[in-house]
Amino acid sequence: SQQGEEDPQALSIQEGENATMNCSYKTSINNLQWYRQNSGRGLVHLILIRSNEREKHSGRLRVTLDTSKKSSSLLITASRAADTASYFCATDNNDMRFGAGTRLTVKP
Amino acid sequence: EAGVVQSPRYKIIEKKQPVAFWCNPISGHNTLYWYLQNLGQGPELLIRYENEEAVDDSQLPKDRFSAERLKGVDSTLKIQPAELGDSAVYLCASSFNTDTQYFGPGTRLTVL
Repeated sequence: SQQGEEDPQALSIQEGENATMNCSYKTSINNLQWYRQNSGRGLVHLILIRSNEREKHSGRLRVTLDTSKKSSSLLITASRAADTASYFCATDNNDMRFGAGTRLTVKP
Repeated sequence: EAGVVQSPRYKIIEKKQPVAFWCNPISGHNTLYWYLQNLGQGPELLIRYENEEAVDDSQLPKDRFSAERLKGVDSTLKIQPAELGDSAVYLCASSFNTDTQYFGPGTRLTVL
């Protein structure tokens, strides 16, 4: 069963714009992770945020976590065409559960 | 540092045939995961190992799927017999405890 649910399912933006993806989950977690997957490739870990953290940055990525709302967001600033990929959140309350992902398209 | 290695990368078989996938995790990672990913969907956990013990195999269709992780390092996932609906990408990942997972490139299975 999948716990993380990403929103929107698909997002299309112009290069240079910011992209925001959201993730909701159902049960308490130890941490939440965001992954990226290019078409036909494996998943690449982007960032992990622990349940006692509220915000985390990594380069052009900003992740927030609101445990009271059981939600997280991933913000990609100044997007590039190379950011085109599917993005997944995964929750870990002893088991890893992925959502269906957000398919991001960044147009040059 | 070598990443998670999976083989084969692609496999095409006829239905009712057996198939096996192999995974070599990152050195030192005690936790190993097998996932199934259908097109346009997120990975679905099949089984999770902590060392050589399967601690979560609730999503593994045990009538036809089996897995092993002898010695707590390499792992194999087997399907016997394969069905048309088994066509998917089978992903292996490893982590230290349940922290960040590192994924292999996957095995794309096509059942004809």
